[in-house]
Amino acid sequence: AQSVAQPEDQVNVAEGNPLTVKCTYSVSGNPYLFWYVQYPNRGLQFLLKYITGDNLVKGSYGFEAEFNKSQTSFHLKKPSALVSDSALYFCAVRDMYTNAGKSTFGDGTTLTVKP
Amino acid sequence: DTEVTQTPKHLVMGMTNKKSLKCEQHMGHRAMYWYKQKAKKPPELMFVYSYEKLSINESVPSRFSPECPNSSLLNLHLHALQPEDSALYLCASSVGPQETQYFGPGTRLLVL
Repeated sequence: AQSVAQPEDQVNVAEGNPLTVKCTYSVSGNPYLFWYVQYPNRGLQFLLKYITGDNLVKGSYGFEAEFNKSQTSFHLKKPSALVSDSALYFCAVRDMYTNAGKSTFGDGTTLTVKP
Repeated sequence: DTEVTQTPKHLVMGMTNKKSLKCEQHMGHRAMYWYKQKAKKPPELMFVYSYEKLSINESVPSRFSPECPNSSLLNLHLHALQPEDSALYLCASSVGPQETQYFGPGTRLLVL
């Protein structure tokens, strides 16, 4: 079985401050981990993924995420938030060797960046 | 071409209507997906096609019928829907079933 938890429904930050959106996961095998962003009335846009290798993954629009195996976490970060980063963010996990095509998404975190 | 397209963008249908949603990609991806998403909720997987064969059906009611005519095209046929089926329907594709999924903009469906 696989699952994802995004413990915060809402994250508020001021523009220019660093942001973190939290994600923890559970899989029986090795994880593929993904972050997606969704703007209102749009589809999901891929930001970044972790498959193997460096624990710090860099993605689109200045976002990065750190894979922590011992804490089973994959938190999304950005050093300096922009108002345009305000959106709904989803973390997703897939077991590397099973459940082909079947990703489990977290419930989502709404990020609001205030000017 | 690096995107997934979906038509129509919006659809309003009665409970007795038959309609179809269309999804297309020209990235050479061999896995395609249908998701249903309610407002501010995560996408819920409905179907997965891998190499034009249905590989996952998440116990979706038979009033939803998927079709994959070729490797670039995915349809979702709708018949006798219920008001609770109103949602954003998202299509996605990936190189293979274990790879990153890329999503289309969705079709906003309203069932009256």
